[in-house]
Amino acid sequence: AQSVSQHNHHVILSEAASLELGCNYSYGGTVNLFWYVQYPGQHLQLLLKYFSGDPLVKGIKGFEAEFKRSQSSFNLRKPSVQWSDTAEYFCAVIPNYGQNFVFGPGTRLSVLP
Amino acid sequence: GAGVSQSPSNKVTEKGKDVELRCDPISGHTALYWYRQSLGQGLEFLIYFQGNSAPDKSGLPSDRFSAERTGGSVSTLTIQRTQQEDSAVYLCASSPTRLALTSDRTDTQYFGPGTRLTVL
Repeated sequence: AQSVSQHNHHVILSEAASLELGCNYSYGGTVNLFWYVQYPGQHLQLLLKYFSGDPLVKGIKGFEAEFKRSQSSFNLRKPSVQWSDTAEYFCAVIPNYGQNFVFGPGTRLSVLP
Repeated sequence: GAGVSQSPSNKVTEKGKDVELRCDPISGHTALYWYRQSLGQGLEFLIYFQGNSAPDKSGLPSDRFSAERTGGSVSTLTIQRTQQEDSAVYLCASSPTRLALTSDRTDTQYFGPGTRLTVL
């Protein structure tokens, strides 16, 4: 069955530190990959997505993610985090032309000022 | 120009009662999604609508759950004979097209604020 794992449940960083949140999926076919963010008290928002082409995807607010097919990974990165990046981050997978999103359990990021 | 709205924002019910949750997507969005967010368990996909049809209902956790969408717009998620394990935040999202079919990097999925369901 499809599954998505996120390695860290809670990450605590100081401002200006670099961020990498891990995401691995188990699915044999072609997939579409997403990162969503939920800021405190706000709705879920799409950060970025990958369908095909360049495996390095740039999203909003300076985030990027790299798709590595050989590792079934789609890690989220940001070179320098800000206090305002404090949120919960969810990785999600959907098979190409599929209909069933599978979300990871989420990683809570706390950025200390 | 409003976003996705959901009602009620909070619902407290007794075990065994039926509940209906409503989602108003963004006008013109053809795709509509329901999710469940349980404490400490992340997001669980429930069902997806393209127009009024739901091609895949396999995400619904049991036959007590059903959903419909009328006029390609409003959707209702119904839970019959609620159980305590149904307590969660139920999220609705809409997008202009089915998200996985488009490569447009500006396309996105818009989430509503959710309905917090508590079953006593």
